Amino acid sequence: EAGVAQSPRYKIIEKRQSVAFWCNPISGHATLYWYQQILGQGPKLLIQFQNNGVVDDSQLPKDRFSAERLKGVDSTLKIQPAKLEDSAVYLCASSLGGAPGETQYFGPGTRLLVL
Amino acid sequence: AQSVAQPEDQVNVAEGNPLTVKCTYSVSGNPYLFWYVQYPNRGLQFLLKYITGDNLVKGSYGFEAEFNKSQTSFHLKKPSALVSDSALYFCAVRGAGGSYIPTFGRGTSLIVHP
Repeated sequence: EAGVAQSPRYKIIEKRQSVAFWCNPISGHATLYWYQQILGQGPKLLIQFQNNGVVDDSQLPKDRFSAERLKGVDSTLKIQPAKLEDSAVYLCASSLGGAPGETQYFGPGTRLLVL
Repeated sequence: AQSVAQPEDQVNVAEGNPLTVKCTYSVSGNPYLFWYVQYPNRGLQFLLKYITGDNLVKGSYGFEAEFNKSQTSFHLKKPSALVSDSALYFCAVRGAGGSYIPTFGRGTSLIVHP
């Protein structure tokens, strides 16, 4: 079974530029999560989708971050404009359903460096 | 607000010795508790979880964890450590009542010495 795919793996941009990350969850997984992991910290949930609807985006900085999952499968996370403090690893995860006891399966992450 | 504490930034243990990585949590309602492991430049890998039932949960690679409701703890254990267990370990919680947002601890670096 293929795992969660993410691209690109690495990205370097200058502040005020925009950037987009892509995630393809495990086939059949209805729930998709985006996390931000700053160096030395645990992952922080940015947004949770159930199929193509948003379940929770309370921790997403909506003035600069946006995410979509138009067809309920792939998802993109965008930052526009980027700030220095956005430097982090962006992790995508998926689970079969959205219940709190469901196991999440993580992709390899995209490492973003903002200069 | 729910929270997770991993009080040790780093745990050092000799190969063959038992290991413990500590985790305490705060959540409203009954907790769902998880342990994940992260190797360098890799995503998080699921180890085990507590949903309900037996307080002792067994997971992948010989790891186990004990849920202690009175101490609000969920410590990860392994009877005999391997050098290959060296990695970053994260504890996470989701509340059964109120917020379902997954909350992760800061992580504990486990170093197993040969």
